[in-house]
Amino acid sequence: GAVVSQHPSWVICKSGTSVKIECRSLDFQATTMFWYRQFPKQSLMLMATSNEGSKATYEQGVEKDKFLINHASLTLSTLTVTSAHPEDSSFYICSARDSGRADTGELFFGEGSRLTVL
Amino acid sequence: AQSVAQPEDQVNVAEGNPLTVKCTYSVSGNPYLFWYVQYPNRGLQFLLKYITGDNLVKGSYGFEAEFNKSQTSFHLKKPSALVSDSALYFCAVRRGNFNKFYFGSGTKLNVKP
Repeated sequence: GAVVSQHPSWVICKSGTSVKIECRSLDFQATTMFWYRQFPKQSLMLMATSNEGSKATYEQGVEKDKFLINHASLTLSTLTVTSAHPEDSSFYICSARDSGRADTGELFFGEGSRLTVL
Repeated sequence: AQSVAQPEDQVNVAEGNPLTVKCTYSVSGNPYLFWYVQYPNRGLQFLLKYITGDNLVKGSYGFEAEFNKSQTSFHLKKPSALVSDSALYFCAVRRGNFNKFYFGSGTKLNVKP
């Protein structure tokens, strides 16, 4: 149980295009999901908190218009990197809490999506 | 401010020897502490957590960690390392009922045959 699926796992795109990454909780409901960015050999940086049915909460320094987040259902959040540039190349990881159960404290993570912008 | 420190970028250990990966934290209120492991190009896998109760927590794959409130530490340990334990390990802290996780910088564990 508690599986989080991300799609795509790998994506290569041209500079200036937009890329959408999906994060799904497969066997639980998640009113809140989190998007992280990880640079090579570095830790995870929290980008934003995705809230089902409302606007995402972005961390300081993260461009809202660059990284569009939509959390349209209890099992799906999407991150769209708009007008991507090579500096947006990174490993993006989503995570979620099981909102249907008592808080166990932990987060469940997706497998990550590696974005390469040429 | 909430923070997590992993003072070692890399830990090298021989297979069969005990291993320790260090973590210290700074958080207001009661901390929820976690260890996750990451294999190359993969997401994070949960190893263990401390919420309350016994200070010694046992987790997946034979790992354990000890919560030490006075030293604000939560070191990860395993009595006998395996080559397959080689990976990147992250310590994380969450402040009580708040959702946000704060991750340490990660420690690369190398277990040599």
